[in-house]
Amino acid sequence: SAVISQKPSRDICQRGTSLTIQCQVDSQVTMMFWYRQQPGQSLTLIATANQGSEATYESGFVIDKFPISRPNLTFSTLTVSNMSPEDSSIYLCSASEQNYEQYFGPGTRLTVT
Amino acid sequence: RKEVEQDPGPFNVPEGATVAFNCTYSNSASQSFFWYRQDCRKEPKLLMSVYSSGNEDGRFTAQLNRASQYISLLIRDSKLSDSATYLCVVNMRGQYNTDKLIFGTGTRLQVFP
Repeated sequence: SAVISQKPSRDICQRGTSLTIQCQVDSQVTMMFWYRQQPGQSLTLIATANQGSEATYESGFVIDKFPISRPNLTFSTLTVSNMSPEDSSIYLCSASEQNYEQYFGPGTRLTVT
Repeated sequence: RKEVEQDPGPFNVPEGATVAFNCTYSNSASQSFFWYRQDCRKEPKLLMSVYSSGNEDGRFTAQLNRASQYISLLIRDSKLSDSATYLCVVNMRGQYNTDKLIFGTGTRLQVFP
């Protein structure tokens, strides 16, 4: 299985600012995804990060708020823009090959004050 | 109806007990099914994929009933280290004809001495 790292592991940010989260995979993977997990809740898919093209966003998530980059097959970034306290959450990236098994990074714990 | 439904628990069982979790899914076209384990404040980790014929991995047995759209996970001889939240995960065809995983809210298991 792929080994996935994320930076930063946690951050406390002021409202109105933006934070970019990095996700690095130790091998080339076909698919990369970004999720959000609110306290006590399950995972919600934000978007699929497509290599070389725009990300595919799920209902309720938009590019202006969550711009995503994927410049190659091992790396992706998620930016949380113009943050508000409602954006406080854990953000997780994952990677998979064609068999749909996904492996997750350790997550980024974001607190917006 | 939720896309993936699980009993949230918690299930409190003594060491050595056998415990079973159930999960139902709404999309009959789903093709891939998984159980993930998530420890407190950690990322989800793939426990096992679920195959049509059912599959076993040590103390863990997963079953799939496509007719009833039902998945189960059986844990035999529970250990203290099995205490975690177990997430039922189903793939679905999303918008833009891409596959995505839908996570249940999880079932909490607490094994006591």
